Amino acid sequence: DSGVTQTPKHLITATGQRVTLRCSPRSGDLSVYWYQQSLDQGLQFLIHYYNGEERAKGNILERFSAQQFPDLHSELNLSSLELGDSALYFCASSPPPPGRHEQYFGPGTRLTVT
Amino acid sequence: QQQVKQSPQSLIVQKGGISIINCAYENTAFDYFPWYQQFPGKGPALLIAIRPDVSEKKEGRFTISFNKSAKQFSLHIMDSQPGDSATYFCAAASNFGNEKLTFGTGTRLTIIP
Repeated sequence: DSGVTQTPKHLITATGQRVTLRCSPRSGDLSVYWYQQSLDQGLQFLIHYYNGEERAKGNILERFSAQQFPDLHSELNLSSLELGDSALYFCASSPPPPGRHEQYFGPGTRLTVT
Repeated sequence: QQQVKQSPQSLIVQKGGISIINCAYENTAFDYFPWYQQFPGKGPALLIAIRPDVSEKKEGRFTISFNKSAKQFSLHIMDSQPGDSATYFCAAASNFGNEKLTFGTGTRLTIIP
């Protein structure tokens, strides 16, 4: 158990809908990263927050957005969902300072878009 | 753009044998190279990591070998056990403004009795 929690574990929804995935980092970690894992694209970086501020963006679609709250938990919002958004979504956290590289992954949320 | 290339895609090793997975990178700004282990239905778990100032790091049965000039690194699992059967990912990160991990495509390792 990495200490990173994610909810929900599974999510099934229809095309066009909007969902919110939640992540709580390990105690003391200030960084939260979001990754998408799909069969054809592998593990892809989406976005990184550090202590509430967006630090870097990767291959994140405009339909997706994220934020990190003052209590350091983070939410990933996916809207206008398409079949191709079906994937595993992981968050990871790492301790300060922002240059620390060790990332600890949560158990993931499996999103199925029908 | 695939910046970290991983091979083989799948690997079958007998119990007690040595499992070897290789990765090559292109970006010379990478300065952190971890390996992750992922079991079905679970998140990737950090196994071992190395920085380019050393050529080898060992933790228990797991060893990373690093060749900076060739831009290659590899994971060796000694005395492989059935419980090691999982998917292994190499990754790399750079300090230049973005600490994201760039992952290899994964190796499915199966240890047979």
